[in-house]
Amino acid sequence: DAGVIQSPRHEVTEMGQEVTLRCKPISGHDYLFWYRQTMMRGLELLIYFNNNVPIDDSGMPEDRFSAKMPNASFSTLKIQPSEPRDSAVYFCASSFDARGETQYFGPGTRLLVL
Amino acid sequence: QQQVKQSPQSLIVQKGGISIINCAYENTAFDYFPWYQQFPGKGPALLIAIRPDVSEKKEGRFTISFNKSAKQFSLHIMDSQPGDSATYFCAASPNSGGSNYKLTFGKGTLLTVNP
Repeated sequence: DAGVIQSPRHEVTEMGQEVTLRCKPISGHDYLFWYRQTMMRGLELLIYFNNNVPIDDSGMPEDRFSAKMPNASFSTLKIQPSEPRDSAVYFCASSFDARGETQYFGPGTRLLVL
Repeated sequence: QQQVKQSPQSLIVQKGGISIINCAYENTAFDYFPWYQQFPGKGPALLIAIRPDVSEKKEGRFTISFNKSAKQFSLHIMDSQPGDSATYFCAASPNSGGSNYKLTFGKGTLLTVNP
């Protein structure tokens, strides 16, 4: 298996632009997680899905952030409009166990908002 | 509120030495404690994990020690190697159901093993 796939790997955009990050989880995994990593705040859970349904989005920083999972093999995290403070590495992770504990992370998308 | 406190922030160890990273938690509902390893430019990868029903778990050179009464757990890397140089994160998740199976991560420890 190719592991969790994220695209793009790097994104540079200007403030106010829409940014869409994409994730393909490992086949057969029914949990999907979106995390954000910064030096200041560390690794933060933004939202997670179980069987394509959003379970907990309490970590989403504000309404500018939205996430969808239209099917078991694809998810998006959208930021509209983007701001410089959104600059971070965004990770997608997936899990197959009953509680979503054993998580497999993708390589991340490094986002820079100018 | 930082629910999982990790120390030290950085650690330098000589090859062959023992690396020790500590974590403390506050939420007594936590019942799953994994450690993740992250190399530069990569995503975190699960290294080893423990549940509160045991006080120690060993996998190769990596050992987790768990002290439930003190609400602390630590990662020991025996015979540390330069290839172990990475950032290590502790984490914890609660035993409650529903929407609460969420991992809370510590801030990370940057380990450097000198040759």
